Amino acid sequence: AQSVTQLGSHVSVSEGALVLLRCNYSSSVPPYLFWYVQYPNQGLQLLLKYTSAATLVKGINGFEAEFKKSETSFHLTKPSAHMSDAAEYFCAVTLFMDTGRRALTFGSGTRLQVQP
Amino acid sequence: AAGVIQSPRHLIKEKRETATLKCYPIPRHDTVYWYQQGPGQDPQFLISFYEKMQSDKGSIPDRFSAQQFSDYHSELNMSSLELGDSALYFCASSPGTGSSTDTQYFGPGTRLTVL
Repeated sequence: AQSVTQLGSHVSVSEGALVLLRCNYSSSVPPYLFWYVQYPNQGLQLLLKYTSAATLVKGINGFEAEFKKSETSFHLTKPSAHMSDAAEYFCAVTLFMDTGRRALTFGSGTRLQVQP
Repeated sequence: AAGVIQSPRHLIKEKRETATLKCYPIPRHDTVYWYQQGPGQDPQFLISFYEKMQSDKGSIPDRFSAQQFSDYHSELNMSSLELGDSALYFCASSPGTGSSTDTQYFGPGTRLTVL
């Protein structure tokens, strides 16, 4: 089975500071990993995804994530936080079903606060 | 670009009532997924459809049922509503090309409140 664990339910950074949101995965097969962002009262928006190509994945809004197999990690980073980055961030891994189809299983989420 | 459409966006029901949530996937996407996100929780997979057939079931209660229609839109039917059903219900769609890298695109969600 596949699963992800997000370390830290709340992260607070100052505007302009580095953002680091942690995600570790568990998978018996090569994983496909995603980061989604959820703004208040809105749906889930895809930030980036890892699909076994390049280990460093660049996404929207200046975010990137690095797949590290040795550490089973897929941490999300952004060099300089902006006030508009305040949101809930979910790491997700493809959950392979018996039918061969796929769903997603999500981590518990990390709420990012950006202080002025 | 067209996105996943969900209706209604907000729904208030009483206990033991029924509710129907609708999802219109991105054009040419033939796979639809339903997720439930309780307050302060991560989204949980409920059920999925591929080419109008039920594909997989997750943690969907027996009181819930769903189907995908010929135009690929999907409806989630919820009966005998309970207070614990209050949640944000997301629909997602993907191209269903069979690739393991298919991205799921999420709709804005329907917020269901059961009183």
